Amino acid sequence: RKEVEQDPGPFNVPEGATVAFNCTYSNSASQSFFWYRQDCRKEPKLLMSVYSSGNEDGRFTAQLNRASQYISLLIRDSKLSDSATYLCVGDSGGYNKLIFGAGTRLAVHP
Amino acid sequence: DTAVSQTPKYLVTQMGNDKSIKCEQNLGHDTMYWYKQDSKKFLKIMFSYNNKELIINETVPNRFSPKSPDKAHLNLHINSLELGDSAVYFCASSPRTGFSSYEQYFGPGTRLTVT
Repeated sequence: RKEVEQDPGPFNVPEGATVAFNCTYSNSASQSFFWYRQDCRKEPKLLMSVYSSGNEDGRFTAQLNRASQYISLLIRDSKLSDSATYLCVGDSGGYNKLIFGAGTRLAVHP
Repeated sequence: DTAVSQTPKYLVTQMGNDKSIKCEQNLGHDTMYWYKQDSKKFLKIMFSYNNKELIINETVPNRFSPKSPDKAHLNLHINSLELGDSAVYFCASSPRTGFSSYEQYFGPGTRLTVT
């Protein structure tokens, strides 16, 4: 079983739509979680950290459910520029490294 | 002002050759990493250095040897290249302490093709 699992997609949505990505992690010792965004043939870039209380950054909302070992990312009012692969990331539980999910691809169309 | 830079951006070479990839960060971070992203886009850590000291060494063939001359630089040398080494190699850095210690900043990647 992969340590961080995501639905690979693709999610094809029209501009203005709301889309949600889910992710599960298997290491109960993981403490820190993130969403990264990776554009085609580019490097991953930190989108946002994920806190237990949930956090929002503009159109993006991230939630963490430790009991279910589940992380989500909600994107409201999708823009064409949101088209990318979204990587769910968790720490390895004290081993100073991040575990990346395989990514969920989002394609926003006009 | 590039935060994490890598050279070269593209590397095409033949099997059996030895090659190096260089990485530099100007963020003042203590920790640097090498990742490999294969054709299935799965990003996997290879090595991590903190202040020139190796702290993570994943199950990577010993043909791969990282070197950190100072905390701003982490280079990757690959001996006897094989077809399976073809991938994109990303360098990254992060601060050492606090919650943000896990926030990593990536270089633009080096696309290695072994023929």
